[in-house]
Amino acid sequence: DTAVSQTPKYLVTQMGNDKSIKCEQNLGHDTMYWYKQDSKKFLKIMFSYNNKELIINETVPNRFSPKSPDKAHLNLHINSLELGDSAVYFCASSQGFVSRETQYFGPGTRLLVL
Amino acid sequence: AQSVAQPEDQVNVAEGNPLTVKCTYSVSGNPYLFWYVQYPNRGLQFLLKYITGDNLVKGSYGFEAEFNKSQTSFHLKKPSALVSDSALYFCAVRDDTNAGKSTFGDGTTLTVKP
Repeated sequence: DTAVSQTPKYLVTQMGNDKSIKCEQNLGHDTMYWYKQDSKKFLKIMFSYNNKELIINETVPNRFSPKSPDKAHLNLHINSLELGDSAVYFCASSQGFVSRETQYFGPGTRLLVL
Repeated sequence: AQSVAQPEDQVNVAEGNPLTVKCTYSVSGNPYLFWYVQYPNRGLQFLLKYITGDNLVKGSYGFEAEFNKSQTSFHLKKPSALVSDSALYFCAVRDDTNAGKSTFGDGTTLTVKP
């Protein structure tokens, strides 16, 4: 069983469209994250939720809106997609949000905006 | 503020030789340090972490890392490299004063040649 899964794996879309990426973890973890990896492979945190509550919100455009319907799911909705949104988006989870906890990553969603 | 530096974009070693991937960090509180590996078109996989205690940490696939507080370093090492170790390696830091937020280095591409 996949511990952290994301759908879709690939997403190709036109500028201006709205799209969603879904993430699910079956590890029983309380904390989930979204990261963006750009074309240079740099990895930056976007959001973090603990027990469905937002605890980290980095400087991310308002077009990005995370939603956590329950502890096992953290979805990312993106409005009015722009060329610069093209990247790989990784979901991750950890037992808790304290610093010693290991994060477990999903396989990534490769988003290409045309 | 916390930061991580991986001073080498690329490390090349011959199979069977020892390898070192360097990482230095800066944090306000106690550091929690992690190494992850990313294979092409895959998510990040956890290798090892330093929380407290013994400065030499052993992890997956024969990797180890040494925490050096005075030099604020956490270099990743392996005594004998394998071609299959070729991948992108990320160092990450979290600290007590910024719970939940991980800061990742820019990554180091390791190439092991036969």
